[in-house]
Amino acid sequence: SQQGEEDPQALSIQEGENATMNCSYKTSINNLQWYRQNSGRGLVHLILIRSNEREKHSGRLRVTLDTSKKSSSLLITASRAADTASYFCATDAYNYGQNFVFGPGTRLSVLP
Amino acid sequence: DTEVTQTPKHLVMGMTNKKSLKCEQHMGHRAMYWYKQKAKKPPELMFVYSYEKLSINESVPSRFSPECPNSSLLNLHLHALQPEDSALYLCASSQDTGARWAPQHFGDGTRLSIL
Repeated sequence: SQQGEEDPQALSIQEGENATMNCSYKTSINNLQWYRQNSGRGLVHLILIRSNEREKHSGRLRVTLDTSKKSSSLLITASRAADTASYFCATDAYNYGQNFVFGPGTRLSVLP
Repeated sequence: DTEVTQTPKHLVMGMTNKKSLKCEQHMGHRAMYWYKQKAKKPPELMFVYSYEKLSINESVPSRFSPECPNSSLLNLHLHALQPEDSALYLCASSQDTGARWAPQHFGDGTRLSIL
């Protein structure tokens, strides 16, 4: 079963703009992670946010987590063409017996 | 360059063939994973090894047989696959799963086509 669901499924922006992707999930989690996948490549871990954290930053990335709404958002500021990729959230649901599940992903296109 | 190396990068095989996918990491990680990814879909977890022992099998058909010969190597043996098994197979590693789903390092995958 699908745990995380990203929104939007596809996003196209101009270079320099900010990109926001959302992830919703169904059950309680221990942590939520965001990954990036460039076309034809493996996934790259971007950031991990624990269930007791509300916001984390890493360079141009900002991740928020709202456990009451069971949702997270990934903000990429000042986007670059090199940010063009698919972005996935992934969650665990240890206490509910689920394993590591990726959401369907958002395909981001940053136009020069 | 990724720190997880997968070979081969591409594999075409018939439904009666036997082949193996290989994965290697030298980061000292004690958890290793196999995922299957279809086009425009997220990766789906298949197997998890922790300290060279199989800890999770996500109800994967027996035509997929994982093996972890040592802490650096992970194999996926393939036999009698079906056309729907055509996909990108990704290997990943992480610090031991005592941290429960620590950040994973992925290889670039093997693109498998079943004729």
